[in-house]
Parts: sequence; structure tokens; C-alpha cells
Amino acid sequence: RKEVEQDPGPFNVPEGATVAFNCTYSNSASQSFFWYRQDCRKEPKLLMSVYSSGNEDGRFTAQLNRASQYISLLIRDSKLSDSATYLCVAYPLMGSSNTGKLIFGQGTTLQVKP
Amino acid sequence: DAGVIQSPRHEVTEMGQEVTLRCKPISGHDYLFWYRQTMMRGLELLIYFNNNVPIDDSGMPEDRFSAKMPNASFSTLKIQPSEPRDSAVYFCASSLRGSTTDTQYFGPGTRLTVL
Repeated sequence: RKEVEQDPGPFNVPEGATVAFNCTYSNSASQSFFWYRQDCRKEPKLLMSVYSSGNEDGRFTAQLNRASQYISLLIRDSKLSDSATYLCVAYPLMGSSNTGKLIFGQGTTLQVKP
Repeated sequence: DAGVIQSPRHEVTEMGQEVTLRCKPISGHDYLFWYRQTMMRGLELLIYFNNNVPIDDSGMPEDRFSAKMPNASFSTLKIQPSEPRDSAVYFCASSLRGSTTDTQYFGPGTRLTVL
């Protein structure tokens, strides 16, 4: 089982739609979580961090459920420019120490259509 | 800041040849990471350094791969000899302290094709 699992999609949605991605992680000791965005043939870039209380940044909302070990990303009012691959990322601890490394999911592809 | 710089951006080589990928992290960042991305396996961490010292190389596929960081502003990933299955995009990334809240900044990647 992969440490971080995502539905690869693709998710094909019309402009203006609301779309949600879920991600599960297996290491209960994971301390921090992130969503990265990767455009075609480009490098991954941080979209947002995920906090326990949930956080919102404009049209994007991230939620963390530690009990069920899943993270979600909600995109409201989808734009054509939102078309990309969204990578779910966990930051595991080893004991009480930072491992210093991120574990990436395979990514979920979103295609927003006009 | 110029961001993470990688060279070359594209590399096409023949099986058996040596390949060297280069990375310059963001100035002042203590952590440097090498990743490989393929369609089949996604983004995989190969090795990472803290203050120029390799910390975890458990992701390095085999002895054909080696990485060095001779100083804080330069790192190399070498494949010798290269094989067609090494074809992938190789990313270098850096972060300030490697803490749980740190952002990793990725370079543009090197697209490697081994014929």
C-alpha cells in the first residue's frame, strides 16, 4: 500500500463547478500535510498547507481528518486555469524527529472544460 | 531570488553513457532533495542532504546512481551507466530548514531520455 493514495482521475468538470479531491495517508505519525499543484511539464508548486482546523484560500479549501487519516481539497467556481495535477503530500515523523522529507501521492488530474 | 536552478533542462543519451545532472539550490536553504518522476511511479524521493551531508539515500535505485553536494550551492546526481528505464524527469528541490512547516521549492527539472 502506498503511503499517500489519491484517485488519479481525471476529473473532467465544466467551468464554475465545484470539485473535491480526497487523499488518504497510512502513516499516523505524519505531522504536516500539503497540496501541491503541478502543471503539465512543469515542476510542482505549493498550493496550500493543510491545518487541523481546516483552512481556506480564496476558492480553495483544505481539510484534514486525522481520525480517518484523510485530507481533502475543495475547489469552488472552477476556472480553466485550474486544470492541472494536484499532489497530496504528507510529512512523516520518525519517532519524535523530523524526517525532513515529503511523501507525495500520485496526483489527481483535473481538467476544467469551457 | 532566482529559485532552484537545474541543468541541463533536457538530456538525450544512449544506454551505457554517463549522465550528470546539476542543481543549484536557493541561497540560504539548508536542505536539498533529488526526486525522480515517471508516469508509472509518480514523484519519488531519491536522496536528500542537510547542510551538504547526505541524510537519507534509501530511495536511490541502485549503485549506478550517486549524488554529491560538495558545497552549499551545488549538487550533482550522476547515473553511470545509464539505462533506458532511467528515462524520467529529475527534479531538485530545496527548503530552508526541513521543518514540518517548510515549503519545498522545486527546480524546473531535467527531462532525461536514455535510448
